[in-house]
Amino acid sequence: GENVEQHPSTLSVQEGDSAVIKCTYSDSASNYFPWYKQELGKRPQLIIDIRSNVGEKKDQRIAVTLNKTAKHFSLHITETQPEDSAVYFCAAKGGAQKLVFGQGTRLTINP
Amino acid sequence: KAGVTQTPRYLIKTRGQQVTLSCSPISGHRSVSWYQQTPGQGLQFLFEYFSETQRNKGNFPGRFSGRQFSNSRSEMNVSTLELGDSALYLCASSLAGWDEQFFGPGTRLTVL
Repeated sequence: GENVEQHPSTLSVQEGDSAVIKCTYSDSASNYFPWYKQELGKRPQLIIDIRSNVGEKKDQRIAVTLNKTAKHFSLHITETQPEDSAVYFCAAKGGAQKLVFGQGTRLTINP
Repeated sequence: KAGVTQTPRYLIKTRGQQVTLSCSPISGHRSVSWYQQTPGQGLQFLFEYFSETQRNKGNFPGRFSGRQFSNSRSEMNVSTLELGDSALYLCASSLAGWDEQFFGPGTRLTVL
């Protein structure tokens, strides 16, 4: 079945710098890759997603890139702000149509 | 449009008991998925229901079961509770299951 690996597990960056979180997946049939942000005590919320027919997608300070050949995708956050501090989860939906999540990355933005 | 709701929000049970959790999806959404979230294991997929049928199942023992009603509301049942079942149980709804999922606030289950 699908397996998703996410790195790093924790990430600390200075406010204003960029943050990059990387995920790899195992099922070559995977075609949908969402990223969720979960603030402390709150529910996960979708921040951006990408489908397998697209290589990159941007939404203001957030971008996601997908490399189907290497089976990895990344989240890029530019000009980080304190409110970006949260746990970020990547996920992949493969041929079995199950959404499999990575282990999460705890991002801390230092003022 | 109202979001996904889950009841109860908190539950405390003892080992051996059973529990039923409820999830009401966003109006019009026919797919409901359930996840178990623990600090060590992240978000683990339990099962997905679509139009009252279980369409997908994760790698959890048979003590975990669910169902979906004609109004798309879903329930999850855990029988013979174990200490390791303590977790946040999240449900998520989507229109068809392959699109954006919207999560509920979760039910925090503590097993003593």
